[in-house]
Amino acid sequence: GAVVSQHPSWVICKSGTSVKIECRSLDFQATTMFWYRQFPKQSLMLMATSNEGSKATYEQGVEKDKFLINHASLTLSTLTVTSAHPEDSSFYICSGSPRSGDLDTQYFGPGTRLTVL
Amino acid sequence: RKEVEQDPGPFNVPEGATVAFNCTYSNSASQSFFWYRQDCRKEPKLLMSVYSSGNEDGRFTAQLNRASQYISLLIRDSKLSDSATYLCVVKRLGGGADGLTFGKGTHLIIQP
Repeated sequence: GAVVSQHPSWVICKSGTSVKIECRSLDFQATTMFWYRQFPKQSLMLMATSNEGSKATYEQGVEKDKFLINHASLTLSTLTVTSAHPEDSSFYICSGSPRSGDLDTQYFGPGTRLTVL
Repeated sequence: RKEVEQDPGPFNVPEGATVAFNCTYSNSASQSFFWYRQDCRKEPKLLMSVYSSGNEDGRFTAQLNRASQYISLLIRDSKLSDSATYLCVVKRLGGGADGLTFGKGTHLIIQP
């Protein structure tokens, strides 16, 4: 199946710093990438949808100035958590949809666990 | 009412047993339905799509009841490796984002 990688796998940072998470589709072109986060014992919550070359579409309640998304190519999307605070600590997961596939097909990355001290 | 609701469990069942759990969704216009499994601290992985006519994949059977807005998953001859959290996922309509709505998951523990 299609492979999506994320880096870093985990990161611990101090409050106030910014953290960038990369999401790459390794063997397919992802026109659309999704960013989710999951708090402990909670469901995955969609944060935003990014289409290559376009601005991301954010879900209600997600601050676009705090969670900067860049989808510069068909194989790479980045999420930058700016001025991170402890409440941003979560499991961040990206997924990509193949260019020629339907949007029901999403391939998930392994996730990035962010801990903000 | 939450968009997708599941009994969180945990369900403890002995190896070899048959277990089933359900999920309900609130948006009657939802189009696509899936079961994912998620292992502890890992990303979710697609287990199977759910079709109106019901579908089977090996030991797993999924059913969709549109009238009652619920989805079920049945696991036969359960294995230790089936221990995981099973997420009910619904593709919703509308809004600017074309994503999936995840339930919180049902935690299944298969005991030897």
